[in-house]
Amino acid sequence: NAGVMQNPRHLVRRRGQEARLRCSPMKGHSHVYWYRQLPEEGLKFMVYLQKENIIDESGMPKERFSAEFPKEGPSILRIQQVVRGDSAAYFCASSPSGGGHGYTFGSGTRLTVV
Amino acid sequence: SQQGEEDPQALSIQEGENATMNCSYKTSINNLQWYRQNSGRGLVHLILIRSNEREKHSGRLRVTLDTSKKSSSLLITASRAADTASYFCATAALGTGANSKLTFGKGITLSVRP
Repeated sequence: NAGVMQNPRHLVRRRGQEARLRCSPMKGHSHVYWYRQLPEEGLKFMVYLQKENIIDESGMPKERFSAEFPKEGPSILRIQQVVRGDSAAYFCASSPSGGGHGYTFGSGTRLTVV
Repeated sequence: SQQGEEDPQALSIQEGENATMNCSYKTSINNLQWYRQNSGRGLVHLILIRSNEREKHSGRLRVTLDTSKKSSSLLITASRAADTASYFCATAALGTGANSKLTFGKGITLSVRP
């Protein structure tokens, strides 16, 4: 059981490029969450997905950010036309169905926009 | 708004001492969770306490929940240098489902001196 796998661990993008962050949930987990962490801050919720469905995207910026969790393959967080303010650590977490078990977090992707 | 507010922001203790960290929140909750984060790493789930529970134990960890005061405490007994990390409380709001998004505080930095 490999846990929640995120890749890449580190990603450097120039302003205006696209960033794609991948997350494979823990085996048996059908709920995926994306969070963003700025330096010295707690995590901020971005989006909650189940397979092929976005359940809650109330934390997603209105523009440039999108997320998906297809029937097959990992969940993808996509940031178009990145800006310096997008530099942060992006964490993915998963939980099993049935509720109230706590999340398992991945090690995160550290995005640096230069 | 910040749902989980931890207190103190930083704590430094000697190995073997107990560490007590507090968390206050604003809205009614389904459950409250504590996580640990080592520098540059992902979050590790420590313990979850449901709104109808008052106290929970896991190894050297003891969590209390007072819903009337909207507060929780995390006690680590007989601390070790390896407990040095940031600790976050996170809440799942009532009425949003046990698998819903979590709202994190800014965290407490715990340093345990050998």
